[in-house]
Order: sequence, then structure tokens, then C-alpha cells
Amino acid sequence: EVQLVQSGAEVKKPGESLKISCKGSEYSFNNYWIGWVRQMPGKGLEWMGVIYPGDSDTRYSPSFQGQVTISADKSISTAYLQWSSLKASDTAMYYCARQGRGPYSKVFDYWGQGTLVTVSS
Amino acid sequence: EIVLTQSPGTLSLSPGETATLSCRASQSISTTYLAWYQQKPGQPPRLLIYGASSRATGIPDRFSGSGSGTDFALTISRLEPEDFAVYYCQHYGMSRAYTFGQGTKLEIK
Repeated sequence: EVQLVQSGAEVKKPGESLKISCKGSEYSFNNYWIGWVRQMPGKGLEWMGVIYPGDSDTRYSPSFQGQVTISADKSISTAYLQWSSLKASDTAMYYCARQGRGPYSKVFDYWGQGTLVTVSS
Repeated sequence: EIVLTQSPGTLSLSPGETATLSCRASQSISTTYLAWYQQKPGQPPRLLIYGASSRATGIPDRFSGSGSGTDFALTISRLEPEDFAVYYCQHYGMSRAYTFGQGTKLEIK
């Protein structure tokens, strides 16, 4: 069964850096776009960007361009989301999700369990 | 940029009733690019409907999607206790950009 397993919860201070991960299994990781979605406490879903692990082609939402970096290491079937300097407003749950293919090519058909990032002094 | 507006914000119904959730796009969109997700507390979203009206694998036929142009709907018939959750519509746009609606919370009356 397709699985996306995310790294564990993080507690950080403002100004610190962070890199969270999303490991895919039981499918051809290189050949599916992986997206990241933010969900702030009690709020809705916000698309941050996507990456194609096969060639690292990356697209960002204008809202997140320059604020985060999305990357992938196809040799270990893992995608990453990183911040160079966290802010309190980055406190949220972050989900990775796979963009499907064929009829599912315009949706996220599998989701990770989420990584809770808390930024507090 | 497409903006999706969902209504109502909260819908209160009883088990066995039928729920109709609305998603309005700021401009006409192809049905191909409209999807619906369900999210329960403490869980990631789950894909329900793609292409505006096609059910994803394993989704009960109580869930149905409809609409075209700017107006889309998710209908849930014969509400079960496990259906009470938050529902999001989603548009897939150019350059692989995704947009989500703000969500509708379906709560037990």
C-alpha cells in the first residue's frame, strides 16, 4: 500500500532553522509530484508547493515563495520542507501529499500523517 | 488566480438526513479540475471526489459531486455518524497550482 511517512513533531524557537521530511514507499517515488500543505491551528488547507523528485522540478505558491524551500532526495524516496529562519506564525501542521496520475493527476490521492511544527520563544 | 468560496461555513444536520455543500469558483473552471476532500479531527484530508463527480477508490456511493462552470456541490445522502467532519473543495490550476476553499464544517445537530 502507498505510504507517506512524515518526520515527528518539532518545537523550535523563532529564528531557528528546520527541515522536515516525508518518505514515500510502495510506489515509484521518482515519478509522482509531491506537494506540501499547511494547516494553521483551527484553520483550513493552504497549498505551499510541489516537487517532482525525478528531476527536482519545483513549483511554489506565491504566498510561500521565498519563505520555504522544497527539495527531494530520490535515492531515499524522501521529500523535504525547510525553513532558514522560523517565525511564530509558522506554527502549524504540515502535510505532504502525493499528486496522483491518470484520473488522479489533478488531486492529492495519498497524504502523510502530518508534522506539527511549533515555534515559540 | 481562482478563488473558491464554500458555503455554508457550518452545516448542522442529523444522521439520516442529506447534506448539500456548495463550492463557488471566482471564474468558470473545468469540471476536470475540481475535487473534494474530507478531514476529520486529528487526521489528514482524504480524497472523496475528483473531476467534480467521480468518487475516489473506496468512497461510498452516499457521496456524490455535481456542478459545472462556477458552481459545484457535494451531496452526502443518508448521513452516517462518521460523515461529520470538515469538507474542502480544491481546484487544480496552471503550473500545478492548487487552491482550496475555506472549508465547510458538517456537525451533528
